Amino acid sequence: GENVEQHPSTLSVQEGDSAVIKCTYSDSASNYFPWYKQELGKRPQLIIDIRSNVGEKKDQRIAVTLNKTAKHFSLHITETQPEDSAVYFCAASWGGRRAGGTSYGKLTFGQGTILTVHP
Amino acid sequence: DGGITQSPKYLFRKEGQNVTLSCEQNLNHDAMYWYRQDPGQGLRLIYYSQIVNDFQKGDIAEGYSVSREKKESFPLTVTSAQKNPTAFYLCASSRRGPNQPQHFGDGTRLSIL
Repeated sequence: GENVEQHPSTLSVQEGDSAVIKCTYSDSASNYFPWYKQELGKRPQLIIDIRSNVGEKKDQRIAVTLNKTAKHFSLHITETQPEDSAVYFCAASWGGRRAGGTSYGKLTFGQGTILTVHP
Repeated sequence: DGGITQSPKYLFRKEGQNVTLSCEQNLNHDAMYWYRQDPGQGLRLIYYSQIVNDFQKGDIAEGYSVSREKKESFPLTVTSAQKNPTAFYLCASSRRGPNQPQHFGDGTRLSIL
């Protein structure tokens, strides 16, 4: 099955700096890569996602890049703010048709990165 | 994502007891999921359902059971066979089909008495 490794496990930055979180995946057939932000005791919230037909996607201060050849993808947060402090999770899934039937929806998550932004 | 409601927020289980966690959604999503979250770990999939009256085991289904009798509801039962049930349980839903974003509920924290 799919295996997703996420690094670093903790990341501390000063307000205004950039933060980068990296994930690698094992299944070359994976084609959907979402990122979730989870504040303490709260639900994970989708902040950005990318599909394998795209190499980069941006949404204001957040961007995700995907390198299919190397099987890794990264989350970039620019101009960090204290409210960016949270746990960030990457995930990967495969969705589509192949021998044995159709499969979709089964996300495999990374272990999470605790991001702390110091004022 | 106010459309996914999990209850209760906190739950305590006694030894040998089965407990059921509720998950209801009004997003008209076909697919629903249950995840377990332990400290320092990512979310692990317990069960998922793409359509009413059908569900599949995830990566850690042992000691858990589910039902999907209604589109809106996907309850999870933590049985006495689950020897380490203390965790944060998250329910999610999505549209049916490949690569649909999943939306989460607020979770239920289960502890052993």
